[in-house]
Amino acid sequence: GEDVEQSLFLSVREGDSSVINCTYTDSSSTYLYWYKQEPGAGLQLLTYIFSNMDMKQDQRLTVLLNKKDKHLSLRIADTQTGDSAIYFCAEKETSYDKVIFGPGTSLSVIP
Amino acid sequence: KAGVTQTPRYLIKTRGQQVTLSCSPISGHRSVSWYQQTPGQGLQFLFEYFSETQRNKGNFPGRFSGRQFSNSRSEMNVSTLELGDSALYLCASSFQGFDTEAFFGQGTRLTVV
Repeated sequence: GEDVEQSLFLSVREGDSSVINCTYTDSSSTYLYWYKQEPGAGLQLLTYIFSNMDMKQDQRLTVLLNKKDKHLSLRIADTQTGDSAIYFCAEKETSYDKVIFGPGTSLSVIP
Repeated sequence: KAGVTQTPRYLIKTRGQQVTLSCSPISGHRSVSWYQQTPGQGLQFLFEYFSETQRNKGNFPGRFSGRQFSNSRSEMNVSTLELGDSALYLCASSFQGFDTEAFFGQGTRLTVV
């Protein structure tokens, strides 16, 4: 069945890099997304990657995709206190044309 | 360009009542997806509407229903509310389906007492 897994918590010091990991099960996924949710807010799309790509960089964000292992990661360089939030990994399943979200990783940035 | 608007932001209902939530997508977007977010279950897909037709449906009971109007605005309805329906309900708007860019509203926080 469909499943997206993430570690639930991550704590880093301000200025360090954060790496949030995600694994998924559907090999036919077309898009993989990273969303950010701040308290009391909806989900904000941070970045996405096509399943035929290995890497995507967007300013402080780097997404790495290992299709063989079905592993996706989000690296945030120079992490700031404003990056404290919950980060959701999500995959779009081609077969059902719906998006499955992971449980979210709560990132805490220590000043 | 206005974002995705969900109304109301907060709702308190009692068990057994019904509730209707509204989502106005970004202008030009024809797809609206609904999600339920709870601390225990995370984000769960409810359904997706595209051009007034339900295109996909998640694993929720029939008490959860929705519709989409010709202007792409969507409503979801929950009948015979249960305590477990307390959640943040989020809708996502996209042009053709949850494609490269899907934008979420701020959600409606439903509390069932």
